[in-house]
Amino acid sequence: GAVVSQHPSWVICKSGTSVKIECRSLDFQATTMFWYRQFPKQSLMLMATSNEGSKATYEQGVEKDKFLINHASLTLSTLTVTSAHPEDSSFYICSARSTGEYTDTQYFGPGTRLTVL
Amino acid sequence: EDQVTQSPEALRLQEGESSSLNCSYTVSGLRGLFWYRQDPGKGPEFLFTLYSAGEEKEKERLKATLTKKESFLHITAPKPEDSATYLCAVCLTGGGNKLTFGTGTQLKVEL
Repeated sequence: GAVVSQHPSWVICKSGTSVKIECRSLDFQATTMFWYRQFPKQSLMLMATSNEGSKATYEQGVEKDKFLINHASLTLSTLTVTSAHPEDSSFYICSARSTGEYTDTQYFGPGTRLTVL
Repeated sequence: EDQVTQSPEALRLQEGESSSLNCSYTVSGLRGLFWYRQDPGKGPEFLFTLYSAGEEKEKERLKATLTKKESFLHITAPKPEDSATYLCAVCLTGGGNKLTFGTGTQLKVEL
């Protein structure tokens, strides 16, 4: 149980184009999902918290107009990198929050490798 | 300021050589401490959640413990397939369910 998928697993795009990444919780509903980015040899950095049916909350220093987040259903959140540039190249990982009577855990997707040429 | 520090940064073990990874934290209020395993090019895989000092959890060769200042991930008789980066993360009271990650311990288990 608690499987999270991401699509695509990797994408290469030209500078100036927009890229959409999907994050799905496959066997549970998630009112809250999170988006992270990870640079080589570094740990995960939280970009934003995505709440179903409401606006995302962005971490300090993350441009909300550049990284558009939509959480349209209890199983799907999307991250759109608008007008991507080479410095946006990174590993983007989503997580979905699963809550139960005694548990509250984030389960992560497999990640999306974005390369901007 | 809330801080999560993992040590060592890297660890090389021989197969069967037991050891421990450390995660020390200085936070205003802890809701939970999480351990994840991350393989290269993949997302983190959930291992354990610990909520209160004195709590212990086990899974196969791994055992996680928690005190008021730190958590240990004990690896007993490791195998090469245990090689990965192990990440510790904390969820803070009043932190909106966000996780703050440590920098990880890169473990390599050799034959």
